[in-house]
Amino acid sequence: GAVVSQHPSWVICKSGTSVKIECRSLDFQATTMFWYRQFPKQSLMLMATSNEGSKATYEQGVEKDKFLINHASLTLSTLTVTSAHPEDSSFYICSASTPRLAGSLSSSYNEQFFGPGTRLTVL
Amino acid sequence: ELKVEQNPLFLSMQEGKNYTIYCNYSTTSDRLYWYRQDPGKSLESLFVLLSNGAVKQEGRLMASLDTKARLSTLHITAAVHDLSATYFCAVINNAGNMLTFGGGTRLMVKP
Repeated sequence: GAVVSQHPSWVICKSGTSVKIECRSLDFQATTMFWYRQFPKQSLMLMATSNEGSKATYEQGVEKDKFLINHASLTLSTLTVTSAHPEDSSFYICSASTPRLAGSLSSSYNEQFFGPGTRLTVL
Repeated sequence: ELKVEQNPLFLSMQEGKNYTIYCNYSTTSDRLYWYRQDPGKSLESLFVLLSNGAVKQEGRLMASLDTKARLSTLHITAAVHDLSATYFCAVINNAGNMLTFGGGTRLMVKP
């Protein structure tokens, strides 16, 4: 269970075009999805938090007009990179959050399940 | 602001040896994750540590958490080549809704 898919897995596009990446939770509903970006040999950096039915919350330094996020349902969030440029080339990873029971503790917590990533190359 | 630091950033070791990766974080948190990432792939969840003193083991990897010291360790026992990957720790914020990742430790195990 708790499988997250991303589509496409890789994309090559020309500078100035827009690219849409889909993130789906396949076997659970996720009220919150996250979008990360990872440059080569670096860590994951959170770009934005996406809640179903509301506007995404963007991290400092992430242009919301360039990276459009739509979370139309409990199983789908999309990230659109508008007017892509070579510096946008990166590995984009989404995650979807769902509650998990904390073992022997009488509490639950939200766990993030990660998608397989989308490699974007802008020429 | 929550900051997470890992060390070392790069580790080259021979098969059969033991080593420890350290993860320090700057503010109080009650949940810490360890992930593995192979080249070109996404994250694979290894461990989630939920309380002070938590210890989890899977095969040659063992993770522990000391919330008072704000420190987690990932110990590798008798390393094998298949363990070569990049390992990330990630800490949850106080609101419980956002992960901050460490810089990653790139592990190379030589035959």
